[in-house]
Amino acid sequence: NAGVTQTPKFRVLKTGQSMTLLCAQDMNHEYMYWYRQDPGMGLRLIHYSVGEGTTAKGEVPDGYNVSRLKKQNFLLGLESAAPSQTSVYFCASGRGGLSNEQFFGPGTRLTVL
Amino acid sequence: AQSVTQLDSHVSVSEGTPVLLRCNYSSSYSPSLFWYVQHPNKGLQLLLKYTSAATLVKGINGFEAEFKKSETSFHLTKPSAHMSDAAEYFCVVMAMASSNTGKLIFGQGTTLQVKP
Repeated sequence: NAGVTQTPKFRVLKTGQSMTLLCAQDMNHEYMYWYRQDPGMGLRLIHYSVGEGTTAKGEVPDGYNVSRLKKQNFLLGLESAAPSQTSVYFCASGRGGLSNEQFFGPGTRLTVL
Repeated sequence: AQSVTQLDSHVSVSEGTPVLLRCNYSSSYSPSLFWYVQHPNKGLQLLLKYTSAATLVKGINGFEAEFKKSETSFHLTKPSAHMSDAAEYFCVVMAMASSNTGKLIFGQGTTLQVKP
């Protein structure tokens, strides 16, 4: 039982390049989330999904796209990377509802030069 | 709108002394509240959660938190700090209006330093 895994762990991009971050969970959770973490700002929600085939915008969605083609996977795409997207990205999954916590992956550290 | 404020960005304690990390929330509904811990270069791990049952919540590793509605606070405490407690701690709120999506709102984080 691996929980939530993220690929890759580290990445360096040049401005304008594109990339996809992969998140996978083996807990059969309906809900999945992508956050970014920047110093002094906590975690901010980028996009989320409440089930296979669905996605929705979070707090800071601009410059990102997501897809949830399979229940266990949630992909985050950067079409044209910018230095402002340098951050640590966390994926999480959960059962939703009031009392249910989210389970987090180990993170992806992205640097955009 | 819901929000959460962690009153200290950095807390330093000596090993064996009590820990207090302060958190205030704002919510027009009765919220669910969480504390998460993040060790260096790791993901986030749930410490404890409050979901309108007992106001004193016990979590892992000897941490506990008390929900005080009158003060809109959810402070995290531990009687005796251990070196392994050094980490960043996040106070998190999930509001009633977000219960169908499970969306969380994070505080800015408090870095706990534990000195030998």
